Amino acid sequence: AQTVTQSQPEMSVQEAETVTLSCTYDTSESDYYLFWYKQPPSRQMILVIRQEAYKQQNATENRFSVNFQKAAKSFSLKISDSQLGDAAMYFCAYRSLVFGNEKLTFGTGTRLTIIP
Amino acid sequence: GAVVSQHPSRVICKSGTSVKIECRSLDFQATTMFWYRQFPKQSLMLMATSNEGSKATYEQGVEKDKFLINHASLTLSTLTVTSAHPEDSSFYICSAPKSGGAREQFFGPGTRLTVL
Repeated sequence: AQTVTQSQPEMSVQEAETVTLSCTYDTSESDYYLFWYKQPPSRQMILVIRQEAYKQQNATENRFSVNFQKAAKSFSLKISDSQLGDAAMYFCAYRSLVFGNEKLTFGTGTRLTIIP
Repeated sequence: GAVVSQHPSRVICKSGTSVKIECRSLDFQATTMFWYRQFPKQSLMLMATSNEGSKATYEQGVEKDKFLINHASLTLSTLTVTSAHPEDSSFYICSAPKSGGAREQFFGPGTRLTVL
């Protein structure tokens, strides 16, 4: 079974600065997806960024980028130019590519606070 | 994107009663839907995979007779909490993958259940 670990329960960053959230995972599969989801106080889960394991290039979405290290099974999220609206819980998640096994396995989450 | 709705958003019930939560994919069809449970300040834990036209697949430790899942159509899955007890109080979230590409999962806004 796959596991996802987020070792930072809480992080804080000054507005406009950069912050990196850590995530490691364990799997015996060679192809899979990794995700970062944001859960603001509304509790609505929002996809931030996705990485396909077979792609070596790190995914980027505007101010959000990842550092995907497949051999190390590491998948960190970098948020640049932090904004007040970035304050939320962030969850790292794993999804298998095996047909019929699309469930997401989530990490324990990191609560990000933005300091004005 | 795609939209997944949940109804009700909040429900309060007495111990011993049953509560039904609906999850609908509004603008796409979903043969599979997922039900998660989230305790305060914790991560999402997968309860079961809902399969259209067949039985749901429950995760280990989840009582299938207590958490009844019915995937009646390609746009609707229901979770019924039977004989609810205070320990069933939680936030329940559903998700549905949309076909094509990475089959991204779209999440409902969640249902807060309080059992008195």
